[in-house]
Amino acid sequence: DVKVTQSSRYLVKRTGEKVFLECVQDMDHENMFWYRQDPGLGLRLIYFSYDVKMKEKGDIPEGYSVSREKKERFSLILESASTNQTSMYLCASNLRGFLSQPQHFGDGTRLSIL
Amino acid sequence: GEDVEQSLFLSVREGDSSVINCTYTDSSSTYLYWYKQEPGAGLQLLTYIFSNMDMKQDQRLTVLLNKKDKHLSLRIADTQTGDSAIYFCAESKKGTGRRALTFGSGTRLQVQP
Repeated sequence: DVKVTQSSRYLVKRTGEKVFLECVQDMDHENMFWYRQDPGLGLRLIYFSYDVKMKEKGDIPEGYSVSREKKERFSLILESASTNQTSMYLCASNLRGFLSQPQHFGDGTRLSIL
Repeated sequence: GEDVEQSLFLSVREGDSSVINCTYTDSSSTYLYWYKQEPGAGLQLLTYIFSNMDMKQDQRLTVLLNKKDKHLSLRIADTQTGDSAIYFCAESKKGTGRRALTFGSGTRLQVQP
């Protein structure tokens, strides 16, 4: 089974802090994604990466950056956390292919910014 | 546009069938997915259907796709209390260079004992 592991289930940080959310997958997937989930809005894509050191902006990249130094690890960075970034963050991965492959998700990190 | 729409809430009695509906707007969608999210957990892939199919059945789950109306449904037969969760419909597109999914806002299914 594919395993996508997010380093923290719950995280509490203060406004202005630099926050790192980590995600690791064990299936040698090329693609990795970061979403945020808010009530009534579903999942919205922040960033994705299709290879090591490669990244593309999603629908809501403002206030975030990402890092993909190794294939198995994809980090989401909040450069200066703000209260409107309080949310559930979900990481996902899938195989690159001509046709879309199903995405596999981690259990999520619930982040609170005080 | 890339909107995927779902109703927010559905309540059924244990043992009944549940039907969760989804509409999408982009006719170039290739795969359509159903994910389940239990409280405090990530998303679990339930099933998916390729856009040239009309129906897919997998045990208690039946997916129906009406491509003309851009309507997707998930039927759960003999619904159990363990089926209580949020169900997300999602679409993906071929050849756009993006391999992300567009999600609906989710339907919360409540199963009454």
